[in-house]
Amino acid sequence: GNSVTQMEGPVTLSEEAFLTINCTYTATGYPSLFWYVQYPGEGLQLLLKATKADDKGSNKGFEATYRKETTSFHLEKGSVQVSDSAVYFCALSDQGDYKLSFGAGTTVTVRA
Amino acid sequence: EAGVAQSPRYKIIEKRQSVAFWCNPISGHATLYWYQQILGQGPKLLIQFQNNGVVDDSQLPKDRFSAERLKGVDSTLKIQPAKLEDSAVYLCASSWGLANDEQFFGPGTRLTVL
Repeated sequence: GNSVTQMEGPVTLSEEAFLTINCTYTATGYPSLFWYVQYPGEGLQLLLKATKADDKGSNKGFEATYRKETTSFHLEKGSVQVSDSAVYFCALSDQGDYKLSFGAGTTVTVRA
Repeated sequence: EAGVAQSPRYKIIEKRQSVAFWCNPISGHATLYWYQQILGQGPKLLIQFQNNGVVDDSQLPKDRFSAERLKGVDSTLKIQPAKLEDSAVYLCASSWGLANDEQFFGPGTRLTVL
């Protein structure tokens, strides 16, 4: 079956620090990969996605590259801000059923 | 554009009671999803509708959970009777279609079963 494993949190950083959240996946087919973010008090929203190997998704200074050889989709941001404090979820959607399988989420807190 | 609406936002019940949650998707979205998110875990899909038909309900505990989307627009998820382990946030999401379209999530309903 499909599954997503992401780095456990919580993660606490200072402003302008570099952020990496690791995500690896197992899929029976050829999935699309996503990062969703949940800001405090808000609903889940799509941060970025990639649909094929070597694609790079990017948004709001965040990037993630679809690595088929390592089955990974790590999220990175070069300089975080306090407003990036949120819970980040890695997810996949396999061809054919399109339902999302989520990781457990990583809580990120950025201090000023 | 209005987002996905859910109500109520919070619900506290005792075990063995019944509860219902309502979701109104974004206008024009054909696909509607219900997820269960237990504290500390990622959302888990319970049921997926395409218009008013069920696409996938393989992870819905059908002995106590039911869902409907009679007119292909809004949807209701019911739990009867509730158990302690049903305490979770219930998320509704919608998308234009099935093929990897972005899913838009509502704010969720936080259920506490005592």
